[in-house]
Amino acid sequence: SQQGEEDPQALSIQEGENATMNCSYKTSINNLQWYRQNSGRGLVHLILIRSNEREKHSGRLRVTLDTSKKSSSLLITASRAADTASYFCATDKGAQKLVFGQGTRLTINP
Amino acid sequence: EAGVVQSPRYKIIEKKQPVAFWCNPISGHNTLYWYLQNLGQGPELLIRYENEEAVDDSQLPKDRFSAERLKGVDSTLKIQPAELGDSAVYLCASSFGGVGETQYFGPGTRLLVL
Repeated sequence: SQQGEEDPQALSIQEGENATMNCSYKTSINNLQWYRQNSGRGLVHLILIRSNEREKHSGRLRVTLDTSKKSSSLLITASRAADTASYFCATDKGAQKLVFGQGTRLTINP
Repeated sequence: EAGVVQSPRYKIIEKKQPVAFWCNPISGHNTLYWYLQNLGQGPELLIRYENEEAVDDSQLPKDRFSAERLKGVDSTLKIQPAELGDSAVYLCASSFGGVGETQYFGPGTRLLVL
C-alpha cells in the first residue's frame, strides 16, 4: 500500500518554466522526503522536511509542508532539460518504514 | 565517497530458475533496505536491516524470497524459484540513521523473467 499520492501523474512544461508537484498522504508523519529518479537509474534524495517545518529551499527547489492538510508541494523554478525525471514523495509512516507515492513524471521540453 | 553498489545491473532468467542480487552499501551505513519497483510505480519496501538484523521483513514473500546481510555490511537478496510476476527493478538503499533519514539508493537490478 502506498501512503503518498503525487499529483499530477505526468507534467510537461517548457524549459525555463516552473514546475509544481503535489503530494498528499493519509496518516501522521515525522518527516517527508522528495526523491528524483532519472530513467533507468536509482533514486536521488532531494529534500527532507520534518513535520515541524513548513518550508525548505535547496537551490532551485522549494518544498512546503502543510500537516493540517496532510500535503506537500515541490516547486522547481527555472526548469532545465536535465530536470526531466520522475519525482517521488516518501513519508516515514510512523517511523516504521518509508512509503513512496507513485510519482510524477516530469518532462521539460526544449 | 563511493555510492551504493549493486550487481548485476540486468538479469534475464527463465521462470522457475533461481536468481540472486548483491548490494554493497555506503561505508558506515548501518541500515540497509531492499525495495521492489514495478514499472510506473514507486519503490516498495521488501526488507530492512539494522546492522545484521532483519527488523522489518513483513513485505518479503518468504515462500520464495530470502535475504541475508552477513557481518552487517553486504547483502544478498535471492528469489527461488522466480515467477513471471517477479519481473521488476530491485533497488538497494542504505542510510546512516533510521527510517526517517536520507536514504541513498543504488542503480538497481532490472530483472526479466521469461
